[in-house]
Amino acid sequence: GENVEQHPSTLSVQEGDSAVIKCTYSDSASNYFPWYKQELGKRPQLIIDIRSNVGEKKDQRIAVTLNKTAKHFSLHITETQPEDSAVYFCAASPNFGNEKLTFGTGTRLTIIP
Amino acid sequence: DGGITQSPKYLFRKEGQNVTLSCEQNLNHDAMYWYRQDPGQGLRLIYYSQIVNDFQKGDIAEGYSVSREKKESFPLTVTSAQKNPTAFYLCASSTLGLAGGRELFFGPGTRLTVL
Repeated sequence: GENVEQHPSTLSVQEGDSAVIKCTYSDSASNYFPWYKQELGKRPQLIIDIRSNVGEKKDQRIAVTLNKTAKHFSLHITETQPEDSAVYFCAASPNFGNEKLTFGTGTRLTIIP
Repeated sequence: DGGITQSPKYLFRKEGQNVTLSCEQNLNHDAMYWYRQDPGQGLRLIYYSQIVNDFQKGDIAEGYSVSREKKESFPLTVTSAQKNPTAFYLCASSTLGLAGGRELFFGPGTRLTVL
């Protein structure tokens, strides 16, 4: 089955700086890569996703890049703000669905004011 | 926060007891899921259901059971056969549309502690 590795497990950045979280996957059939954000005490929420036919996707301060050859994808957050502090999970799926969605172990991002 | 609810928020159980976690959604989603979240680990799928009266095992189904008698409801029973049940349990739902990825909408979770 799919194996998703996520690094780093914790990350602290100064407010205003950029943060990058990286994930690798093992199944070359994976074609859907969502990112979920879980603030302390709250439920996970989808923040951005990318499909295998796209190399990069942006949404305001958030961007995701995908390298299918190397089988890795990354989340980039620019101009970080205190509200970006949360645990971020990457995930990969081979059929755009959730039945086979495999999550990474999470990255706890702390923004230092 | 509406759409998908879970109860109770906190649950304590003695060893050897079965407990049932509730999950209800009013999003008219066909698919519902149960995940387990442990510290330092990702979300792991326990069971999922794509249609009423049908459900499938996920990656860690042993010691758990579910039912899907109504589209809106997907309760999870943690049985005494589950070796390490203390965890945070998240219910989620999504559409089954054919176009692209299907966002998971999560409930607020139930924290189960076995005493």
